[in-house]
Amino acid sequence: QVQLVESGGGVVQPGRSLRLSCAASGFTFSRSGMHWVRQAPGKGLEWVAVIWYDGGIKHYADSVKGRFAISRDNSKNTLSLQMNSLRAEDTAVYYCARDASGSFRYLDSWGQGALVTVSS
Amino acid sequence: DIQMTQSPSSLSASVGDRITITCQASQDISNFLNWYQQKPGKAPNLLIYVASNLETGVPSRFSGSGSGTHFTFTISSLQPEDIATYYCQQYDSLPITFGQGTRLEIK
Repeated sequence: QVQLVESGGGVVQPGRSLRLSCAASGFTFSRSGMHWVRQAPGKGLEWVAVIWYDGGIKHYADSVKGRFAISRDNSKNTLSLQMNSLRAEDTAVYYCARDASGSFRYLDSWGQGALVTVSS
Repeated sequence: DIQMTQSPSSLSASVGDRITITCQASQDISNFLNWYQQKPGKAPNLLIYVASNLETGVPSRFSGSGSGTHFTFTISSLQPEDIATYYCQQYDSLPITFGQGTRLEIK
């Protein structure tokens, strides 16, 4: 079955960097678009970024554009999110999610989430 | 960006009730609309895709309808395990956007 496991969360000071990873298994990773979605404590879902199945196209939410970078390694079935210049408002649970298509349509499998806390 | 407005923001109902949540898009999104359920402390779970298609394994008491700018999500007979927050999500254009969520409680 589809499994997505995030790692790399933790506590980081404002202005510093953190890298999240998502290990995928149980499906053909190289055929699926992949997303990062976040959820601040007690808040709703906020889409962060998407990467096409081949890594050729990437899109970001305005709130993270220029600071975050999504990438994937299809040889290792791994999705990543490099987060730079972190701010307090980036504090959230970060979910990786599989798209049912090679780009973006609907998110049919989600990881358990990784908590990122930005605090001094 | 396309704004998605859900109503109500919270809802209290009894077991067996029929409940409906609406989602209004700020512009025409055809039927590019999905619904998710999120139980406390858990990741979201896809229930309905492309406005009205039931995801595999999802009970038939869940349904969705609508097109253009107005969409509805219905639970035909509320069960205790349906306690959760429900989100709509559009994929007509990037950025993908979610509704603010509807928190469902049992009376």
